[in-house]
Amino acid sequence: NAGVTQTPKFRILKIGQSMTLQCTQDMNHNYMYWYRQDPGMGLKLIYYSVGAGITDKGEVPNGYNVSRSTTEDFPLRLELAAPSQTSVYFCAARPTMNTEAFFGQGTRLTVV
Amino acid sequence: DAKTTQPPSMDCAEGRAANLPCNHSTISGNEYVYWYRQIHSQGPQYIIHGLKNNETNEMASLIITEDRKSSTLILPHATLRDTAVYYCIVTQRGQGAQKLVFGQGTRLTINP
Repeated sequence: NAGVTQTPKFRILKIGQSMTLQCTQDMNHNYMYWYRQDPGMGLKLIYYSVGAGITDKGEVPNGYNVSRSTTEDFPLRLELAAPSQTSVYFCAARPTMNTEAFFGQGTRLTVV
Repeated sequence: DAKTTQPPSMDCAEGRAANLPCNHSTISGNEYVYWYRQIHSQGPQYIIHGLKNNETNEMASLIITEDRKSSTLILPHATLRDTAVYYCIVTQRGQGAQKLVFGQGTRLTINP
């Protein structure tokens, strides 16, 4: 039972490069989330989605874009990587609001 | 939006009960209290949630005061593997209930 799968696990980007962090879930959950976690800090919500075709901004959306074309996938796009985006990124999914969320194991991104 | 306040850190002896407090004095009647934990740099793990009644599962107990302004997560027999950051979250009202916003959490250290 895979749950929430994030790829890649690690990545080093140069300033100005772009990349897509992949998140896929096999639980058929409607709600999906992207978070970033800086060293020693809590999780900050970047974007979230309540279903295919619906996305909304979280606390720190600047510099990121998302799409949700299917229930399973919720990719996070960085267009022009900056050192400030060095962080660990977590994806999560849950069936609806007021239910348990399941998290992936994270993607550690370094921008140099 | 109801905010939460947690102590930044706590210590507990192995085998003892760990009691983690959370203040949420602005909570409204239809908002749930959730607890998650994050072990080292893994993705957060759901522990328990409740509305107004006390709740218990195989991991922990959740005690919510009668006025719902605070709650306590209880790990009845803490082990070294319970060392983690524990997050208390109150789900937001209405449209905001779709979000899942984390605070800074309490870093719990279980000592041998």
